[in-house]
Amino acid sequence: DTGVSQNPRHKITKRGQNVTFRCDPISEHNRLYWYRQTLGQGPEFLTYFQNEAQLEKSRLLSDRFSAERPKGSFSTLEIQRTEQGDSAMYLCASSTTGNTEAFFGQGTRLTVV
Amino acid sequence: LAKTTQPISMDSYEGQEVNITCSHNNIATNDYITWYQQFPSQGPRFIIQGYKTKVTNEVASLFIPADRKSSTLSLPRVSLSDTAVYYCLVGGGDTGRRALTFGSGTRLQVQP
Repeated sequence: DTGVSQNPRHKITKRGQNVTFRCDPISEHNRLYWYRQTLGQGPEFLTYFQNEAQLEKSRLLSDRFSAERPKGSFSTLEIQRTEQGDSAMYLCASSTTGNTEAFFGQGTRLTVV
Repeated sequence: LAKTTQPISMDSYEGQEVNITCSHNNIATNDYITWYQQFPSQGPRFIIQGYKTKVTNEVASLFIPADRKSSTLSLPRVSLSDTAVYYCLVGGGDTGRRALTFGSGTRLQVQP
């Protein structure tokens, strides 16, 4: 499968714990996006990378969230001190520069209990 | 960012043509119009993209009037499997972030 891969698919964690998600984009794609989606809402933009550079972060993204893409390939999204409000589907997408056709992964569903 | 407005929901029957209109009054000159489809528990999937006039692919058609302040996604002869949420996005191809800002979408329900 050469699509966008996200791991894990599901994560249940206790409030206050840290969690980390991984996204492997399509290999030739230099842009990588992270979104969060809650039930009944559209995907909410979190951040995006052009190669290894993080070019934009949503102002809605608190300091507990951090994302990296160290070698311009895979990316990780870490949430520190999780809260119940962080429960959502976290989606990753990738594309080539200047292309509005992005390919999404299946997402990581986070449940904070 | 160009804001988009779509109907919250639509209902149709199998075999009918469905047209979903999106308003984007403050679209910028270099903005493209892109539509995505999303099924439950899956990531969105690209359907079609256009800049002006009409674009057609194997899945849908996209109609864009001359002033580009709106666009209409047309799904010919829908089936039950077209039941999904459809998102209209407006943004420039040279700035990927603007191109991928989602609204609340239109929930299409296709009945037998």
